[in-house]
Amino acid sequence: DTGVSQDPRHKITKRGQNVTFRCDPISEHNRLYWYRQTLGQGPEFLTYFQNEAQLEKSRLLSDRFSAERPKGSFSTLEIQRTEQGDSAMYLCASSLDWDSHYGYTFGSGTRLTVV
Amino acid sequence: DQQVKQNSPSLSVQEGRISILNCDYTNSMFDYFLWYKKYPAEGPTFLISISSIKDKNEDGRFTVFLNKSAKHLSLHIVPSQPGDSAVYFCAASVTGANNLFFGTGTRLTVIP
Repeated sequence: DTGVSQDPRHKITKRGQNVTFRCDPISEHNRLYWYRQTLGQGPEFLTYFQNEAQLEKSRLLSDRFSAERPKGSFSTLEIQRTEQGDSAMYLCASSLDWDSHYGYTFGSGTRLTVV
Repeated sequence: DQQVKQNSPSLSVQEGRISILNCDYTNSMFDYFLWYKKYPAEGPTFLISISSIKDKNEDGRFTVFLNKSAKHLSLHIVPSQPGDSAVYFCAASVTGANNLFFGTGTRLTVIP
């Protein structure tokens, strides 16, 4: 297993365009999380899936954002009509079950730059 | 509203000495605390955690101390090694919740 994979690693887009990111979690992990990290800040929670069900969404996840996890495997995060404030590192993480002793496994992230 | 705070953006220590990274939190409902380490161009990596029923947890060179009355935790690294140079994030959660609250990170530089 190669860990949590995210694609692309970098994305530059023009304001107003739509972008989609992909996350492939560790295969046996049933929980998947998206976080966003802006410059000088720690990661901030966006949303959480247990298998294919999206069970929690942060207020940071505006209606321009949508996430899916079809069949409980990979996940996509789409941002419509991107704004400059969307520029950030988008991190995906997965876990077998929430276990505070071991935390999540994060991917390397997708860095989005909106110009 | 930053519920987890790391007030030191950076810290430099000599190789072999102790590194102490600090973290404060405001939400008294937090009952699990974690430290993550992040290298450039990589995602955060889990390092060590502690439950609120403990005041200390040790794993090799890494020890986390929790002072619930002060809402403060710290990570001690002894002895510090150049490979420990990274950004360290403190994180906290509430039992039953599905998200972590992260601090802003402390960049540790261990000087050979």
